[in-house]
Amino acid sequence: EVQLLESGGGLVQPGGSLSLSCAASGFTFSNYAMSWVRQAPGKGLEWVSAISAGGGSTYYADSVKGRFTISRDNSKNTLYLQMNSLRAEDTAVYYCAKDKGNWGSGFDYWGQGTLVTVSS
Amino acid sequence: EVVMTQSPATLSVSPGERATLSCRASQSVSSNLAWYQQKPGQAPRLLIYDASTRATGIPARFSGSGSGTEFTLTISSLQSEDFAVYYCQQCNNWPRTFGQGTKVEIK
Repeated sequence: EVQLLESGGGLVQPGGSLSLSCAASGFTFSNYAMSWVRQAPGKGLEWVSAISAGGGSTYYADSVKGRFTISRDNSKNTLYLQMNSLRAEDTAVYYCAKDKGNWGSGFDYWGQGTLVTVSS
Repeated sequence: EVVMTQSPATLSVSPGERATLSCRASQSVSSNLAWYQQKPGQAPRLLIYDASTRATGIPARFSGSGSGTEFTLTISSLQSEDFAVYYCQQCNNWPRTFGQGTKVEIK
């Protein structure tokens, strides 16, 4: 059974940093691209960042470019999101999601999400 | 950035009726489009990928169509468990973008 378990969310002050993790199991992690998607309270889904299966290619939404860094450790089956210079508008539930395959077919598994609150 | 526009924002449907949801892309995304269902307090669930292929375990009452810039998700006979918010997502260009969602509510 595929499982994605996010951790690392919490309350942080504006300008602060936070690191999220997503532990994967039930599939060959190193074979699949992964993404982070967020959802502000009461709002829709926003794609944040993606990383290729081997980690050599990364992509970011304009809203987080230069502030967030996606990475992965295939030996630990874990996806990461380092978030710096956090703003109030980064407050959201952050989901990690597994790419179905070949980049162009959407996300077939999602974690349950971790809440990040940016507030003073 | 490819802008995805969903319509309507809210769709009121009676159980057993057909629901038709639309998604328009600001430029062609070929057939690289996915549909998701999200219920309150839950993560999204993949329904349709490649515009028209049902994901594993998705009932046949869900169908997707379209290519290029115009896409449709049809629920042939709404069941109680289908009342939720539905999102389309283009998977053709970076950054990946979602529509704003269509809420399907009980009429």
